[in-house]
Amino acid sequence: DSGVTQTPKHLITATGQRVTLRCSPRSGDLSVYWYQQSLDQGLQFLIQYYNGEERAKGNILERFSAQQFPDLHSELNLSSLELGDSALYFCASSDRLAGGYTDTQYFGPGTRLTVL
Amino acid sequence: GESVGLHLPTLSVQEGDNSIINCAYSNSASDYFIWYKQESGKGPQFIIDIRSNMDKRQGQRVTVLLNKTVKHLSLQIAATQPGDSAVYFCAETYRAAGNKLTFGGGTRVLVKP
Repeated sequence: DSGVTQTPKHLITATGQRVTLRCSPRSGDLSVYWYQQSLDQGLQFLIQYYNGEERAKGNILERFSAQQFPDLHSELNLSSLELGDSALYFCASSDRLAGGYTDTQYFGPGTRLTVL
Repeated sequence: GESVGLHLPTLSVQEGDNSIINCAYSNSASDYFIWYKQESGKGPQFIIDIRSNMDKRQGQRVTVLLNKTVKHLSLQIAATQPGDSAVYFCAETYRAAGNKLTFGGGTRVLVKP
């Protein structure tokens, strides 16, 4: 158990809908990262937050957004869902600002999103 | 651009034998490398990491080797056990670009009893 929790574990929805994925980082960790894992793209970095502020963006679609709250939990919002958004979404956390050294990321169990 | 190349082979290994998983990376500026293990239905699990100023690091039954000259990373698992069956990913990061991880494609390890 990494200490990172994600809810829900599974999510099934229809095209065009909007969903919210939730992540609670390990106790004390200030950074939260979101990754998408699909069969054709592998594990892809989406976005990072540190202590409530966005720090880095990767291959995140404009239909997707995220935020980190004062209690450090994070939410990933996916809107106007398409079939191709079906994937595993992982959250990871670490304890230091990007740019620090060996900022090991620990991953949660993921949310499996199925868009029908 | 940054990329960590890891074709997705399947490595079949006899229980008790040693396993070697290889990874090539393309960003010579990467300064931190990590190996993750992912079991079916679970998130990636940290195994071992190595800094770019090192060429070898050992953990419990695992060793990571880094060859910066040819931009190659490997993970050695000693005395492979059935519980080692999983997909293994290498990842790299470059501090100046933040701490985002760039993952390789993964290697599936199957341990035969």
